[in-house]
Amino acid sequence: ETGVTQSPTHLIKTRGQQVTLRCSSQSGHNTVSWYQQALGQGPQFIFQYYREEENGRGNFPPRFSGLQFPNYSSELNVNALELDDSALYLCASSSNSGGVGTDTQYFGPGTRLTVL
Amino acid sequence: AQSVTQLGSHVSVSEGALVLLRCNYSSSVPPYLFWYVQYPNQGLQLLLKYTTGATLVKGINGFEAEFKKSETSFHLTKPSAHMSDAAEYFCAVRGSARQLTFGSGTQLTVLP
Repeated sequence: ETGVTQSPTHLIKTRGQQVTLRCSSQSGHNTVSWYQQALGQGPQFIFQYYREEENGRGNFPPRFSGLQFPNYSSELNVNALELDDSALYLCASSSNSGGVGTDTQYFGPGTRLTVL
Repeated sequence: AQSVTQLGSHVSVSEGALVLLRCNYSSSVPPYLFWYVQYPNQGLQLLLKYTTGATLVKGINGFEAEFKKSETSFHLTKPSAHMSDAAEYFCAVRGSARQLTFGSGTQLTVLP
């Protein structure tokens, strides 16, 4: 069984640029959640995708957007990068059983984004 | 709304000593509770989870946690610390919404 994978591992961008991060969910999982983890802090929820639609969003501005594809993989896009966007971006996959169950989230290794 | 408070951002124990990492939660609905571990430059690994039923939950690597509703706590313990346990530990709660709300983490140091 393949776990959650993310690409790239590291990324360096400059302020104002745009970035796309990618996530492949664990086999059998249909839901992907994205989190931002700033240095020294716990992960903060960005948004979740289920069946290719946004299924919940945290307190992040619209320049953070996402997609989920039919194979349940996902992308996180961030426009107009700011210095404070520098963080570890974590993707988690889970199996959403329509409201039943724990939806335990399994995390990928993350993408380290540095904005200069 | 839901929240998590982890008491003690840094905890140091000697190898072989008891590990106790504290977590208190707030949730407007019966919570699902999780502990994750993060090793340097890695993602989060699930240690254990509480959903319903037995309040004492056993996880991987000898860790366990007890859900105490009256105290709104879900503290993580391990009877005997090993050097390989040194890492950052995060408590998380999932309430009515599907996202996880994490605490700020506890860095565990194991001294030889």
